[in-house]
Amino acid sequence: AQSVTQLGSHVSVSEGALVLLRCNYSSSVPPYLFWYVQYPNQGLQLLLKYTSAATLVKGINGFEAEFKKSETSFHLTKPSAHMSDAAEYFCAVTSFTGGGNKLTFGTGTQLKVEL
Amino acid sequence: KAGVTQTPRYLIKTRGQQVTLSCSPISGHRSVSWYQQTPGQGLQFLFEYFSETQRNKGNFPGRFSGRQFSNSRSEMNVSTLELGDSALYLCASSLAIGASGAYEQYFGPGTRLTVT
Repeated sequence: AQSVTQLGSHVSVSEGALVLLRCNYSSSVPPYLFWYVQYPNQGLQLLLKYTSAATLVKGINGFEAEFKKSETSFHLTKPSAHMSDAAEYFCAVTSFTGGGNKLTFGTGTQLKVEL
Repeated sequence: KAGVTQTPRYLIKTRGQQVTLSCSPISGHRSVSWYQQTPGQGLQFLFEYFSETQRNKGNFPGRFSGRQFSNSRSEMNVSTLELGDSALYLCASSLAIGASGAYEQYFGPGTRLTVT
């Protein structure tokens, strides 16, 4: 069964600093991986996805993630944090079971951006 | 293109009652999935429908059920509500399903259900 682990339930950075949110996956087959962001009282917004085309994936709002098979990781980064990046971030892996598509999420990382 | 819409956005029910939540997917999307989000359990998969057929079901009791209509709109129903059913219920739609590609899921704003 596929799963993801997010290290650090809370991360705090200064505005302008590097953002690094960690995600490790476990999968018996090549995984499809996603990062979503959730702002308060809202649903999930897709930031980026990895589907084996390229190991470095660029997403919206300046975020990117690198798939590293040797480390079973898919960490999310952004060179310079902005106040508007404060939100909760979820890493997810998809599995195809029963002919369907099911997302399994990590426990989330709350990002705080300080002045 | 309009996004995924969910109604109602907020709902307050009493223990023992039942509730129906509605989801309209993005136009052209035939797959609809439902997730429950709580502070304690995080995001958990409930079920997924494609072409009016349930293709996946999560580990939830039979009180949780759903269906999909021919226009891809979906509803989920929770009967005999318990306090622990208080959660944000998220619906997601996807263009297609299958091992041929990982089609991303687009989420609605959710329905916040409070059971008292």
